Amino acid sequence: DAGVIQSPRHEVTEMGQEVTLRCKPISGHDYLFWYRQTMMRGLELLIYFNNNVPIDDSGMPEDRFSAKMPNASFSTLKIQPSEPRDSAVYFCASSLNTGTSGGRPQETQYFGPGTRLLVL
Amino acid sequence: LAKTTQPISMDSYEGQEVNITCSHNNIATNDYITWYQQFPSQGPRFIIQGYKTKVTNEVASLFIPADRKSSTLSLPRVSLSDTAVYYCLGGAGSYQLTFGKGTKLSVIP
Repeated sequence: DAGVIQSPRHEVTEMGQEVTLRCKPISGHDYLFWYRQTMMRGLELLIYFNNNVPIDDSGMPEDRFSAKMPNASFSTLKIQPSEPRDSAVYFCASSLNTGTSGGRPQETQYFGPGTRLLVL
Repeated sequence: LAKTTQPISMDSYEGQEVNITCSHNNIATNDYITWYQQFPSQGPRFIIQGYKTKVTNEVASLFIPADRKSSTLSLPRVSLSDTAVYYCLGGAGSYQLTFGKGTKLSVIP
């Protein structure tokens, strides 16, 4: 498997423009996560999906951010309108749920290479 | 979710053993302790996970005392390529992971 694929790898845009980040999870994985990483705040979970359904979006900073997962092999994170403070590296990760009972090990999350976003 | 606390940074010389300790006083019964490693310009990568006592793999060892309120990641004989940020996380499912800022390890020649 090629691992988690993200595109674009780099994005430079001007304030006010719409930005769309894309992610292809590892085939067969049923969880998908979007993270944002900055020097100030570290790595933050924005939203995660289970079987294409958004489960927790409490980390999404504001209404300008939206995420979708139309099918098991594709997800998007959209920022509209973008602002300079959105500049960060955005990671997508996926994992496979291997059990449902309590006390089970955490499923490993596999991260993509990230998208480095710069909003001018 | 287990709140974890770890040092912001550490320095070590090549060839030395490095121990990074993480505190997780409110860890729950079902929580596992997981460590991830992140190299510059890459996403985090799973390195080791444990529940109690000691776990060892080809990359590192993880020591968790009986009270489970802390854990120590041990990297034997570090090299320059071990320079990275190391994250300690606690939770019972991957969707409960909170990464924070991690520990930046700098290996010095």
